[in-house]
Amino acid sequence: QVQLVQSGAEVKKPGASVKVSCKVSGYTLTELSMHWVRQAPGKGLEWMGGFDPEDGETIYAQKFQGRVTMTEDTSTDTAYMELSSLRSEDTAVYYCASSVAGVFDYWGQGTLVTVSS
Amino acid sequence: DIQLTQSPSFLSASVGDRVTITCRASQGISSYLAWYQQKPGKAPKLLIYAASTLQSGVPSRFSGSGSGTEFTLTISSLQPEDFATYYCQQLNSYPRELTFGGGTKVEIK
Repeated sequence: QVQLVQSGAEVKKPGASVKVSCKVSGYTLTELSMHWVRQAPGKGLEWMGGFDPEDGETIYAQKFQGRVTMTEDTSTDTAYMELSSLRSEDTAVYYCASSVAGVFDYWGQGTLVTVSS
Repeated sequence: DIQLTQSPSFLSASVGDRVTITCRASQGISSYLAWYQQKPGKAPKLLIYAASTLQSGVPSRFSGSGSGTEFTLTISSLQPEDFATYYCQQLNSYPRELTFGGGTKVEIK
């Protein structure tokens, strides 16, 4: 059984960066395709990007290109999502989720990132 | 970009009711559609993929149908634990684009 455990809540100032982690257990990170989805307060789900195992590359949603970086540390089975140039609209719960051809079968518990001056 | 429109956005129903939620795609997506359930403060949970395949462990009162541009999620007999928000997701553009519908909140009548 896959378990994804994310890092704790963060409060950041506008213009700062945030890095959220997602620790995998039950499988190794190399056996999974990890993606990131966010949800603003009271709003719907928004896909940010993830790893494409076919090409071995990370794909970013157009909206976040240039501002988001997703990385993996296979030695610790931990995935990371870093979002820079934060603005108030980035206040959201950020989820990691493992994907099978784009279907998200396992999810982390979510990390609340609050952007406020 | 493919847009997904869910209807209704809000639904009030009673335990035992049959509930149907619709998801319409802005262009044909074959059967590349999944459904998720989300309860307040929790991560989404996968219910159905490939438009009609039930994820392991999901009760059989949930079913999905459709292809092309119109899809439905049906709960045959609503249970107290089913009150939640439901989202559809298209995978037709995977891996370069994955999009979700706006959600349907199912509340107790």
